[in-house]
Amino acid sequence: IAGITQAPTSQILAAGRRMTLRCTQDMRHNAMYWYRQDLGLGLRLIHYSNTAGTTGKGEVPDGYSVSRANTDDFPLTLASAVPSQTSVYFCASSEAGSTGELFFGEGSRLTVL
Amino acid sequence: GQNIDQPTEMTATEGAIVQINCTYQTSGFNGLFWYQQHAGEAPTFLSYNVLDGLEEKGRFSSFLSRSKGYSYLLLKELQMKDSASYLCAVMDSNYQLIWGAGTKLIIKP
Repeated sequence: IAGITQAPTSQILAAGRRMTLRCTQDMRHNAMYWYRQDLGLGLRLIHYSNTAGTTGKGEVPDGYSVSRANTDDFPLTLASAVPSQTSVYFCASSEAGSTGELFFGEGSRLTVL
Repeated sequence: GQNIDQPTEMTATEGAIVQINCTYQTSGFNGLFWYQQHAGEAPTFLSYNVLDGLEEKGRFSSFLSRSKGYSYLLLKELQMKDSASYLCAVMDSNYQLIWGAGTKLIIKP
């Protein structure tokens, strides 16, 4: 089934640990995004990539890094997790030049203690 | 600053009609989106408006007035499965999506 796969779906992590959230899409979309979703707030963009080999910072990039080595994969890394990074993380993709419709993964729920 | 406002929560009755409003102030405008998000799930695309007027898609319609910075999502013949959060998002001049916090819609029998 075509779509976006995120892993892990849920993780509890000790503060200070390094964590990578994986995201893979098989729709050959050029653009990919990482959002975090917190109660009472809209989705906030962390990082994005318009095409393989390029990345950009979103609204809340501090404490996070991404890479885009190929079209399909867009991992998000927390170098040293802090409790304020407890959130639900969504990876999304879209066709470049489209109306902007996003296709989302099922989300990764991260708890930092 | 950029801002998207929508009600936090609404309640409606099965079979009825509900209108969810969204007002926005953004730097530029390249379209307005509505997404549906069931609890614990990912958002899914509902509609896209870039010109003023009403776009109808089955039981769901979306309206846009660019001069007023206003949109609404109209849901007809409500079903229990329509219980979800509805997210309004605007694409700004940099083609980035600015998201509202979402409206939780509760459907009662």
